[in-house]
Amino acid sequence: QKEVEQDPGPLSVPEGAIVSLNCTYSNSAFQYFMWYRQYSRKGPELLMYTYSSGNKEDGRFTAQVDKSSKYISLFIRDSQPSDSATYLCAMSPRGTGNQFYFGTGTSLTVIP
Amino acid sequence: DSGVTQTPKHLITATGQRVTLRCSPRSGDLSVYWYQQSLDQGLQFLIQYYNGEERAKGNILERFSAQQFPDLHSELNLSSLELGDSALYFCASSVPPAYGYTFGSGTRLTVV
Repeated sequence: QKEVEQDPGPLSVPEGAIVSLNCTYSNSAFQYFMWYRQYSRKGPELLMYTYSSGNKEDGRFTAQVDKSSKYISLFIRDSQPSDSATYLCAMSPRGTGNQFYFGTGTSLTVIP
Repeated sequence: DSGVTQTPKHLITATGQRVTLRCSPRSGDLSVYWYQQSLDQGLQFLIQYYNGEERAKGNILERFSAQQFPDLHSELNLSSLELGDSALYFCASSVPPAYGYTFGSGTRLTVV
């Protein structure tokens, strides 16, 4: 079993929709959680970084962590065609400076 | 431009050959991480260097090696290449306790 599981999609939504992206994990020691966005043929770019459980909001993006269920989510409100990309979750027991474990990514297409 | 520079962007080579991938981290970043990204495996951690010293090893094959030089740039050496080594190779850098990594644009390696 992989330590981080992520539905690869693809996910296709109309412009303006709310998008929900999810990851599950098996290692209860994970405390640091990140979401990355990767455009085709580019390197991943950091979207959100959260520690432990709870919610974090940044503009149209909201990250949620439920450690009791070992489940994290990224919500995108008012989705735009420019949000079309692959979204990767990543997590670690000890934060930056240490190895992060990545999901395989969910491919999202927002249709104008 | 993320500030992390990877060269070359593309590399095509034959099985059995050896190649060197190069990474220059963001100015001031002491840690360099190497990741391999393939379609079915997602981002797999290979190795981390911190200020010239190996800090952590992941699923790195014995045919692969890396080093970080005094000017903090890093090289990933891949030898006795096999078809299955074809992938995107990403370098990332960070300065703890900053949050998250910054990735380069990657080197696409094709082994034929």
